[in-house]
Amino acid sequence: GESVGLHLPTLSVQEGDNSIINCAYSNSASDYFIWYKQESGKGPQFIIDIRSNMDKRQGQRVTVLLNKTVKHLSLQIAATQPGDSAVYFCAENILSGSARQLTFGSGTQLTVLP
Amino acid sequence: DGGITQSPKYLFRKEGQNVTLSCEQNLNHDAMYWYRQDPGQGLRLIYYSQIVNDFQKGDIAEGYSVSREKKESFPLTVTSAQKNPTAFYLCASSMQRSDGYTFGSGTRLTVV
Repeated sequence: GESVGLHLPTLSVQEGDNSIINCAYSNSASDYFIWYKQESGKGPQFIIDIRSNMDKRQGQRVTVLLNKTVKHLSLQIAATQPGDSAVYFCAENILSGSARQLTFGSGTQLTVLP
Repeated sequence: DGGITQSPKYLFRKEGQNVTLSCEQNLNHDAMYWYRQDPGQGLRLIYYSQIVNDFQKGDIAEGYSVSREKKESFPLTVTSAQKNPTAFYLCASSMQRSDGYTFGSGTRLTVV
């Protein structure tokens, strides 16, 4: 089946720099994407989402970009802080019957260096 | 505050035993899900339920069983048929036709 994948398993950035986490997807029918943050030993937390009719969406310090032509999305974190250290997952949300289901990538471990 | 609660946080299982992981939500969500997470990997869907008394197998249902007798509760039983049960288990819920998932804090199961 089709799956969501991530380009890089780890990313280290200096505190204060911007972070960019990438994600590739292969299901052309996917119309909704979500970024989650998971800290060690905890459940994933919603960060930001984007629908396929959009190219860009901004939140507080985070921006998600969607390129449907190459089936790629990215999460940009501005002024990265130590509290941003976590695993970041992208997930594609597919409507199956009357319910939506999430398919997750393997995640990127973001480490913020002092 | 509304939320989703998983218990216990840590669980140890002996070989050949069945164990049940609890998941309770007070968000009035219709749909509930169980995921398994192995180190360095993403989340894989075990079972999901859209309404009470109905549930569907996910991608890795073998060796697991669930029930959905109440809207608020979706317990997962890891049976002795699951040969490699050591993992981090996550429960989630969402409104029917809604797009957001709320996750619990997880249960770490270890076979001893």
